[in-house]
Amino acid sequence: KAGVTQTPRYLIKTRGQQVTLSCSPISGHRSVSWYQQTPGQGLQFLFEYFSETQRNKGNFPGRFSGRQFSNSRSEMNVSTLELGDSALYLCASSLPTGNTGELFFGEGSRLTVL
Amino acid sequence: AQRVTQPEKLLSVFKGAPVELKCNYSYSGSPELFWYVQYSRQRLQLLLRHISRESIKGFTADLNKGETSFHLKKPFAQEEDSAMYYCALRARGNEKLTFGTGTRLTIIP
Repeated sequence: KAGVTQTPRYLIKTRGQQVTLSCSPISGHRSVSWYQQTPGQGLQFLFEYFSETQRNKGNFPGRFSGRQFSNSRSEMNVSTLELGDSALYLCASSLPTGNTGELFFGEGSRLTVL
Repeated sequence: AQRVTQPEKLLSVFKGAPVELKCNYSYSGSPELFWYVQYSRQRLQLLLRHISRESIKGFTADLNKGETSFHLKKPFAQEEDSAMYYCALRARGNEKLTFGTGTRLTIIP
């Protein structure tokens, strides 16, 4: 079974630009979550989607948004990039709640904002 | 609000010695607790969860509701245990995980 796939793996942007990151979950997984990982803050929850609906949202500004498609693939977008948005963005997929609760993580998309 | 605290950023232990990685949590409801591990150049992955009460790679963790702790333990450390360990909490029925800041464990040969 293929794992969670994230693209692109690395990208460099400048302040003020916007970025879109993509995540393909494990086949059959309908829940997709996004996390921001930085050395100072660790792993911070961004949002979670299930059946194309956002079910949970973390404490990030409105510049961070996401969506999920009917095939469960998900994208997240960050607009008006700031230097502090430089981070590893991790996507995770899981079976619906009520199962083991295990999240399966991708390798991440490393964003550098200059 | 949910909060997970891992007081040690770095922990070094000699091979064969016991290991204990500390995790304390704050949550008013009934939580589910997990330990995730990230080995060098690998993805973040689940190590164990409290509801399973299982031992994985020799590691165990017991949920202590009185002390709101979920410490990870192993009686004899192995070199392959060197990794980054994250304690995580979720509310029942919710996919959102709240992670601690992680502990980097180094096993000294």
